[in-house]
Order: sequence, then C-alpha cells, then structure tokens
Amino acid sequence: DAGITQSPRHKVTETGTPVTLRCHQTENHRYMYWYRQDPGHGLRLIHYSYGVKDTDKGEVSDGYSVSRSKTEDFLLTLESATSSQTSVYFCAISKQGGRVMNTEAFFGQGTRLTVV
Amino acid sequence: TQLLEQSPQFLSIQEGENLTVYCNSSSVFSSLQWYRQEPGEGPVLLVTVVTGGEVKKLKRLTFQFGDARKDSSLHITAAQPGDTGLYLCAGSPLTGNQFYFGTGTSLTVIP
Repeated sequence: DAGITQSPRHKVTETGTPVTLRCHQTENHRYMYWYRQDPGHGLRLIHYSYGVKDTDKGEVSDGYSVSRSKTEDFLLTLESATSSQTSVYFCAISKQGGRVMNTEAFFGQGTRLTVV
Repeated sequence: TQLLEQSPQFLSIQEGENLTVYCNSSSVFSSLQWYRQEPGEGPVLLVTVVTGGEVKKLKRLTFQFGDARKDSSLHITAAQPGDTGLYLCAGSPLTGNQFYFGTGTSLTVIP
C-alpha cells in the first residue's frame, strides 16, 4: 500500500470555524491532490500541487486553500467552514501528472468532516 | 456540471448476471482509468486505457476506450458478490496534470 496518511480521520466542527486537514506521504511523489466525495458527484478536485509551494485550483476550490511547504505534506484549510462543506475528503498522490499515460493515483483512507 | 458522467448511478443485480457501466464526456482525454472503491476506503486503480478503441480484460471485467477518446465502458460478466462497490472512471486531460473523476456507479451484487 502507498504510504499516505490523512489526519484526522473524523472531525465534527461548527459553522464559521477554521479547519485544517493534513495529508502526509512517504513515497516522495511530486503530485498531491485533494478531492471531496459526495453522493452522486463521485470525486471532485479541490486543489492540487505539482511541487513544493506549487499549487493550482480544481473544480470546486471556493472556500478552500492549500499549502505545501514540504514534499511530504499537503494541507487543506477551510477558512470558515460551512454546512455545504460537510463531506468525505480524500488525498491522492501520483508520481507523475495525470497527463502522463499510465500514471496511477494512490489514495488515502479519507477524512469524514461534518460541519454543524 | 462534471467533466465525466457515469451511468447508471446505481445498479443492483443478481449474482451471475452481466452488466455494463458507461463513462461519457464531451472532452478528449489522453488516457482513462477505472477505479473501484469499497466502503471506508479510498479508490484503487483497476485499469488504464490509453489508445482510442483499446479493449483491456481483467478476468471477468472488460474495459473499452472509445475511438474518439471521450468515453469508456466497463463490462462485468457473471457478476459476483465480491464485485460489489463503487466504480469510478477518471480521465487525464490533454493539458494539465489533474485527474478528473466521474460521478460514480454504485454496484450491488445480490447472492
């Protein structure tokens, strides 16, 4: 199994509070991704990183920010959590970007976030 | 609106039946992948198809990439309860380094 650890695994927070989710990898892969998973929507990309301090927005980036100060860590921050951000969040890593054929994405086990 | 639409969204069948899941887009992809996800876990890669018209077989699973590289299908022959799970297609764009995932198909195979 790819060495990807997400923390926390579960979190309940109140509307309006900031929340930070952490993704830690031991594979030294260049690319890291944050997705959210909601019923009927599959996985939607929030932000991704293609190197230390290099990040870009995905499909549903509003209300989220990310940081990557080290190769192994990719942080997702909800600046002011809202109920619409209740979801399961997955981190993924890949050795090469998706444009490279036969590149595989490896996933963490997910973080279940509930905003009340 | 998501880049990749899957159908059906839910599928419940009896053991031994055949089924097909579709993944469609109006965009062209350099490659397309299929993942399977079990409850409480992250998705795991099943296969990658890279050439238009390509067909790949993985035991009872057959994957096809459309000729125009905009769509794909997953066919399961003689489904078994162990096939139960969420199936996700994912496309790699011609530019950029993202993986775009489909809306997902939740399959339940009843013994």
